[in-house]
Amino acid sequence: GQNIDQPTEMTATEGAIVQINCTYQTSGFNGLFWYQQHAGEAPTFLSYNVLDGLEEKGRFSSFLSRSKGYSYLLLKELQMKDSASYLCAVYGSSNTGKLIFGQGTTLQVKP
Amino acid sequence: DADVTQTPRNRITKTGKRIMLECSQTKGHDRMYWYRQDPGLGLRLIYYSFDVKDINKGEISDGYSVSRQAQAKFSLSLESAIPNQTALYFCATSDPSGPTDTQYFGPGTRLTVL
Repeated sequence: GQNIDQPTEMTATEGAIVQINCTYQTSGFNGLFWYQQHAGEAPTFLSYNVLDGLEEKGRFSSFLSRSKGYSYLLLKELQMKDSASYLCAVYGSSNTGKLIFGQGTTLQVKP
Repeated sequence: DADVTQTPRNRITKTGKRIMLECSQTKGHDRMYWYRQDPGLGLRLIYYSFDVKDINKGEISDGYSVSRQAQAKFSLSLESAIPNQTALYFCATSDPSGPTDTQYFGPGTRLTVL
């Protein structure tokens, strides 16, 4: 079966660091995406990992361990505008082009 | 101008009515997708299309149909709308020839079925 798990909600303080975890069990794996989605808006692409390790992009970093079926998104120097949902999605196969999404983690940043 | 557009942005309709949601893109991508999003359930794939002649069912296609009129246009129809189809609907596009086949989403259509 296909299963992607993320925490439903998280709260953090402005200026702090937060880590959002994602674990997955899927029948195929060709990469993992993270998207940011503000309430009522479209998901926007944040990062993609296909090899093990850390990918850094400004304040955001994403880590992947394929052997453990695990990824995390790390947000540094949190800002109020980072309050949003963060979606983890597994790319199962380039032939199907399908993404399997987790239910998303809603992050609230407090002053 | 936005690369992926959806019309209408909001729609309220009644049970049993036929509804069409439209998606257009200027990204030149061959692949297009329709998702619905419900609170607590994440994004679920309804239909996807790899080109004008290729249409595929996603995980929740019952009660929906699609039409790929051109590379740039992909429409989703609800033949006879029911209240549990009330949701936020997103169209997305991707280009598999790129390094990541990243999907880019339209702004969404909020559909309410009374």
